[in-house]
Amino acid sequence: SQQGEEDPQALSIQEGENATMNCSYKTSINNLQWYRQNSGRGLVHLILIRSNEREKHSGRLRVTLDTSKKSSSLLITASRAADTASYFCATSLNYGGSQGNLIFGKGTKLSVKP
Amino acid sequence: GAGVSQSPSNKVTEKGKDVELRCDPISGHTALYWYRQRLGQGLEFLIYFQGNSAPDKSGLPSDRFSAERTGESVSTLTIQRTQQEDSAVYLCASSSPRTGGGFGGYTFGSGTRLTVV
Repeated sequence: SQQGEEDPQALSIQEGENATMNCSYKTSINNLQWYRQNSGRGLVHLILIRSNEREKHSGRLRVTLDTSKKSSSLLITASRAADTASYFCATSLNYGGSQGNLIFGKGTKLSVKP
Repeated sequence: GAGVSQSPSNKVTEKGKDVELRCDPISGHTALYWYRQRLGQGLEFLIYFQGNSAPDKSGLPSDRFSAERTGESVSTLTIQRTQQEDSAVYLCASSSPRTGGGFGGYTFGSGTRLTVV
């Protein structure tokens, strides 16, 4: 069953603008991760935020997590044409160090125009 | 190796034939996952291996799908009597307790694009 749902499904912006993508999920989680996918092939891990964290930064990426609303957002600042890709959120339900599988949303397709 | 390796990268097969997809995880990664991604869709979980534990097969869509893993190394995903709806990119990922559990994420291979004609 679908756990994460990204919003919007597609986003088109100009280079230099900020891009915000949102993700909602249904059940309690251990952590939430964001991945990028270029050209429909392998995914690249971007950032992980744990359920006891509210905000995390990595370079031009900023992720927030609101467990009360079961939602997360990914902000890419000062976007570049190279940021054009699909972005997926994925949730991990397992606790205590075990891994389990990630449940992915359908993704947001971001297009950054030069 | 340095990353997760999948082969073949592309496979075209006739309906009804069996196919075998291979995944070489990162050395030392105890967990291995198979996902399927249909065109324009998200990732659909298929199966998960964790060390010597019994695999979690809850995502396999039918008994035509099976997967094996030898110890903590190579895994093969087999699809028997392929159907056109099996056409998708099959992605493999691996992780270790230090990455998947909270320090980082999963490392994905580039996938195998399967086309059933």
